Amino acid sequence: GENVEQHPSTLSVQEGDSAVIKCTYSDSASNYFPWYKQELGKGPQLIIDIRSNVGEKKDQRIAVTLNKTAKHFSLHITETQPEDSAVYFCAGTGTSYGKLTFGQGTILTVHP
Amino acid sequence: DTGVSQDPRHKITKRGQNVTFRCDPISEHNRLYWYRQTLGQGPEFLTYFQNEAQLEKSRLLSDRFSAERPKGSFSTLEIQRTEQGDSAMYLCASSLVGIEAFFGQGTRLTVV
Repeated sequence: GENVEQHPSTLSVQEGDSAVIKCTYSDSASNYFPWYKQELGKGPQLIIDIRSNVGEKKDQRIAVTLNKTAKHFSLHITETQPEDSAVYFCAGTGTSYGKLTFGQGTILTVHP
Repeated sequence: DTGVSQDPRHKITKRGQNVTFRCDPISEHNRLYWYRQTLGQGPEFLTYFQNEAQLEKSRLLSDRFSAERPKGSFSTLEIQRTEQGDSAMYLCASSLVGIEAFFGQGTRLTVV
C-alpha cells in the first residue's frame, strides 16, 4: 500500500516568513494529494490539493508543488500569520481514490 | 451547517463496554469514510462506504469493530468490548466519488 513520509515534524517561523513542508510517497499510482490543516480539538480541514496531471497549484498565500518523477510534493505558505499555526498533514491516495494515507503531520508555529 | 456532523463529540466508557458513534455526511455525498487518529499521529483509514455498500476495510478494523450505512445516508461505527487501546479520535469524512473528502469534528473516545 501507499506510504507517505512528511518532514519536518515541527516548524517554527516568524510572522511574515515563508513555511515549506515536504512529503514523499511510495505508490507511483497515487494521483491525488490533498493537504489538511488541523487545529486543536477539531477535524482536519482541506486547504489545498493537487492532482497528478498538474505540477503546481496556488490559492492566495498557499501553493502546492508536485514532482511525480521524484514522488514528492510540498506545501508552501507565504506571508505566514499567527492564525496559520496548526498541524498540517499531507496525504496520498495510492490505488484507491478517496482512501487517504496520511503523513505524520507537521506542527507549524508562527510567532508574532 | 451543511458540513459533516459527528455525534457524540466526546465519549468516556469503561473497558469492556460497547460504544456506538454516528456520522451524518454532507447530503449529496455518496462516499463515507471512517478514520482513527491517535495523539500526535495522522488519521488512519478504517473503512469506507459507497452509498450503502462497504467497499473496503483496513486490517486495523478488528472483529470488535463494525460499521454500517443502512440507507446510504448516515453511518454508525460500533466498538464492542472496548479496550484501552481503542482510545482515540474517530473521524468521519464524506466525498463525491473522485472528489475532495471533508472531515467532521470527530468523536474523542476515552476508555478507562
